[in-house]
Amino acid sequence: DGGITQSPKYLFRKEGQNVTLSCEQNLNHDAMYWYRQDPGQGLRLIYYSQIVNDFQKGDIAEGYSVSREKKESFPLTVTSAQKNPTAFYLCASSIPGTGGYGYTFGSGTRLTVV
Amino acid sequence: RKEVEQDPGPFNVPEGATVAFNCTYSNSASQSFFWYRQDCRKEPKLLMSVYSSGNEDGRFTAQLNRASQYISLLIRDSKLSDSATYLCVVNREGSQGNLIFGKGTKLSVKP
Repeated sequence: DGGITQSPKYLFRKEGQNVTLSCEQNLNHDAMYWYRQDPGQGLRLIYYSQIVNDFQKGDIAEGYSVSREKKESFPLTVTSAQKNPTAFYLCASSIPGTGGYGYTFGSGTRLTVV
Repeated sequence: RKEVEQDPGPFNVPEGATVAFNCTYSNSASQSFFWYRQDCRKEPKLLMSVYSSGNEDGRFTAQLNRASQYISLLIRDSKLSDSATYLCVVNREGSQGNLIFGKGTKLSVKP
């Protein structure tokens, strides 16, 4: 079955450490997205990519970095520069130009920084 | 004005009740509108798209008023399993599909 896989489901890190969240899709979607969700808040866009080897900052990119070396993969690194990294991180993919139809989400990674 | 605003909730209703959620959006150029459902500690899942003519899917009815930049979701004969957070979602103007999510309205259906 096609879908998006995020790993790990839960992640604990010490303050000051960089951490990379994995996102893999086998839907053949060109576009991929990373969102952050805090308790009681909506999803906020961190980074997105419309095509391999290209990506753009979203609304809250500071303290994060991404790469898009393969169509299937869009890893997110939470750096030590991110002031409040504890959150629920969601990866999504879609076919570009469809106006948001066909969005598929992964099951998320819950990051806790202690 | 926030890009997408929703009733803050929570809505606590008995089984069988009819409940309505409202949402407003700020960008008149938005073209795509959706309601997503999110269960506790899970990813959002598409409930239904919203069209200007209004659309219905079983007990769920969505309406869009472009002039007022207003979206609504009506749930009839609510079930315990409808308990979740409902997210109003709008596409970002000029984007290739980036979505803007409201904060969501929590619904709790009680026996």
